Amino acid sequence: QSALTQPASVSGSPGQSITISCTGTRSDIGGYNYVSWYQQHPGKAPKLMIYEVSNRPSGVSNRFSGSKSGNTASLTISGLQAEDEADYYCSSYTSSTTLGFGGGTRLTVL
Amino acid sequence: EVQLVESGGGVVRPGGSLRLSCTASGFTFDDYGMSWVRQAPGKGLEWVAGINWNGGSTGYVDSVKGRFTISRDNAKNSLYLQMNTLRAEDTALYHCARAKSGSFPTRCDYWGQGTQVTVSS
Repeated sequence: QSALTQPASVSGSPGQSITISCTGTRSDIGGYNYVSWYQQHPGKAPKLMIYEVSNRPSGVSNRFSGSKSGNTASLTISGLQAEDEADYYCSSYTSSTTLGFGGGTRLTVL
Repeated sequence: EVQLVESGGGVVRPGGSLRLSCTASGFTFDDYGMSWVRQAPGKGLEWVAGINWNGGSTGYVDSVKGRFTISRDNAKNSLYLQMNTLRAEDTALYHCARAKSGSFPTRCDYWGQGTQVTVSS
């Protein structure tokens, strides 16, 4: 089943932009536009930040954007702020009628 | 306001069973598919099971197939996860999550705070 690959960690300074990648296969990311991104602060429940590759739920800052090319999806955060420091997870619907998550990326704001 | 409140977690011995519940409020429960997602201590998110609005479509991660059963009672606004033959590796915080529509979940729009399951002898 789906095991999406994310970098374990990324970092950036306030005001900079960072991109987190999420690599899957034709059976998940490459086959469907059902890629989502979640933000999780320590001790908190995850929060949906991006859905269907590039859409933002109401209330999510437009500093967050998503894209997809082939079997790889990306989350970009521009104008980094201290509050963005968190774990980020990608997810995709799969051909096995499941949801797969990436292993998570720890974002550090320097 | 959408609220999802999980319950039923606890400490259980390997091979034992638990039934988790998730009570929903703030939305029309039978308009939405639902999922269970778990997070082992210090680890990432793992989708466990999903169900569409009427229970007619369910799906599971391979590691729980044949041991876990997801179900729902729309009259009680409740989602369940029956967990049998529990293993140490099932130890995690279990969240319920709402999908975007009544279809089988393709994402998790809202999450509960979770209920802790610990499998230990």
